[in-house]
This record gives sequence, structure tokens and C-alpha cells, in this order.
Amino acid sequence: DGGITQSPKYLFRKEGQNVTLSCEQNLNHDAMYWYRQDPGQGLRLIYYSQIVNDFQKGDIAEGYSVSREKKESFPLTVTSAQKNPTAFYLCASSVRLSNTEAFFGQGTRLTVV
Amino acid sequence: GQQVMQIPQYQHVQEGEDFTTYCNSSTTLSNIQWYKQRPGGHPVFLIQLVKSGEVKKQKRLTFQFGEAKKNSSLHITATQTTDVGTYFCAGPSGSARQLTFGSGTQLTVLP
Repeated sequence: DGGITQSPKYLFRKEGQNVTLSCEQNLNHDAMYWYRQDPGQGLRLIYYSQIVNDFQKGDIAEGYSVSREKKESFPLTVTSAQKNPTAFYLCASSVRLSNTEAFFGQGTRLTVV
Repeated sequence: GQQVMQIPQYQHVQEGEDFTTYCNSSTTLSNIQWYKQRPGGHPVFLIQLVKSGEVKKQKRLTFQFGEAKKNSSLHITATQTTDVGTYFCAGPSGSARQLTFGSGTQLTVLP
């Protein structure tokens, strides 16, 4: 069953701790993305990757880090430097970076207390 | 950098009324995509428009891409409660043409 999987669905962390969100796809897509969504807001791009071992900062990369060591995986680390980490995080993938539809995971709702 | 703006931000309609959301880009787009996000869910792809002036229909949904390829619209005829959600447009942006989303229009359909 092909798709894109994010885990966990809900995540609670204490302030000052780093946390890593998982994103795995078995669609054989080259491009992957991380977006942040705040209540009632749109999707803001955090990081994106065109191909394995390559990634670029999006519009709001500060306080976040990523890696792309495997084509299937694009984990996002929310560091303690991120001022307001509580949000809904969405991972997506597409065949290539532009001109192709994006498939989204179910999202991870991160709450930092 | 490129910005993709959507209006309105919120829209409440009575069931059976029509609904339209508009998307405007500061630069010409090679294509535009539309997504729907149900409450508590994730965005799901609806359609992609590529050609100038293109019009596509999906049942009660009509999508248009402007002649200048800088604006687009989504029109829903005779809304139903199943149409509830947030509708986003998205287009390629930046040097790598990464997918950038508009701010979205949240549609509420009152029974």
C-alpha cells in the first residue's frame, strides 16, 4: 500500500528539548517537503529536498533541521532554538520538485509545554 | 520572492449557495494546483492547471487559470455540507520552483 507516513500523530515535549518528526514515503518520489500549519493559517514551507543528500531552506527554516540520507526518509528536527514550536507539521512528497502533485502525510501535531 | 495570495480568508454559505475562492500571484506561474483540507485532515490534491485561460471541471467544481497565468479561481456550484474545508492554491516558487501554498480559504456550509 503506497503512501507517505508521518509519525507520531500527536507529540508532546517539554520546552528546551529537541524533537524529531518522522516522514517516510514508498512512492519512489524524488522531492520531499516539510510544512508548518498554525490554527486557521496556511502552509508555510520549512525545508524541501529535490533529491537524496540534498535539501534547501524554505521560508521559515530557523530553529529546524533536516536530513535526506535515504530517498524514502526526510526527518525533521525541531530544535530548542525554535521560538514557537507548537503547530501542526505536514510532510509531503512529489515525483519531482515542480509541476507535479504533492501527496501529504497525516501530519504530526506537536505541543510543547 | 513570489507570493501567492488567496481571498477570502473565510466564507460562510448556506447549503445550496455557490462559492468562489480567488488566488493571485505576484509573478507568472508555470502551473497552479488546488488542494482541499478537511477539518482535522491533511491537504488532498484536487487538480492542476497549466495552460493560459484553462478551465477544468470536476462535477460541481470549476477551476480557471487566468490568461496571464497570474491568477486562478475555484468555483463550487450548489454547495453541500461535504464541501466544508479549507481550499488552497499552490504554485512553483523560488529558484528551485518549490511548491508554495496560498493562505487558503476556509469554507463553512450551513445546513
